[in-house]
Amino acid sequence: AQSVAQPEDQVNVAEGNPLTVKCTYSVSGNPYLFWYVQYPNRGLQFLLKYITGDNLVKGSYGFEAEFNKSQTSFHLKKPSALVSDSALYFCVWRGSTLGRLYFGRGTQLTVWP
Amino acid sequence: DAGVIQSPRHEVTEMGQEVTLRCKPISGHNSLFWYRQTMMRGLELLIYFNNNVPIDDSGMPEDRFSAKMPNASFSTLKIQPSEPRDSAVYFCASSLAAGTIYNEQFFGPGTRLTVL
Repeated sequence: AQSVAQPEDQVNVAEGNPLTVKCTYSVSGNPYLFWYVQYPNRGLQFLLKYITGDNLVKGSYGFEAEFNKSQTSFHLKKPSALVSDSALYFCVWRGSTLGRLYFGRGTQLTVWP
Repeated sequence: DAGVIQSPRHEVTEMGQEVTLRCKPISGHNSLFWYRQTMMRGLELLIYFNNNVPIDDSGMPEDRFSAKMPNASFSTLKIQPSEPRDSAVYFCASSLAAGTIYNEQFFGPGTRLTVL
């Protein structure tokens, strides 16, 4: 079955350190991939997307993601984490049916001061 | 723009009662999605509409759940009768031009439903 997977339920990192939230995909054809973030008691917010072209995608709040076709990965990264980055992050795949999105299980990121 | 608006933000009801959740999408968006989020199952798509027409309702748990979109600016998700296992956060999202690849979804703040 086509899907995205987030292998880590939780990621902890110290403020100021680089962070990586991992995502792998199993999708046929061209994968359209997204990252969304959910802050506590809030709805999800779009961070960035990969459609085609440059493998390094830049998004909101200083986040970026690297699309790696050979490793079928789309990891989310940030050079220097902030405490305010603490949230639940979702890797998302867009299916072929009229824009339906398929969400990974989510990774809880905690940034310690 | 006010974003996607959902009401109520919190709902506490007793088992067997009817619950109606409401959503106003972003003006101009032609696709609307209803999701449910629980700790056990994560984020699940329940149903989505394109141009007010239900496209895929395969995620609707059972006949107790129904959704309508009478016009482009309003949708409801109804649970009748409600059960404790329906307790979750229900999100509404909307997007523009769902048939293209440039269709980020914009989420509302959610309705936290508790069924006692």
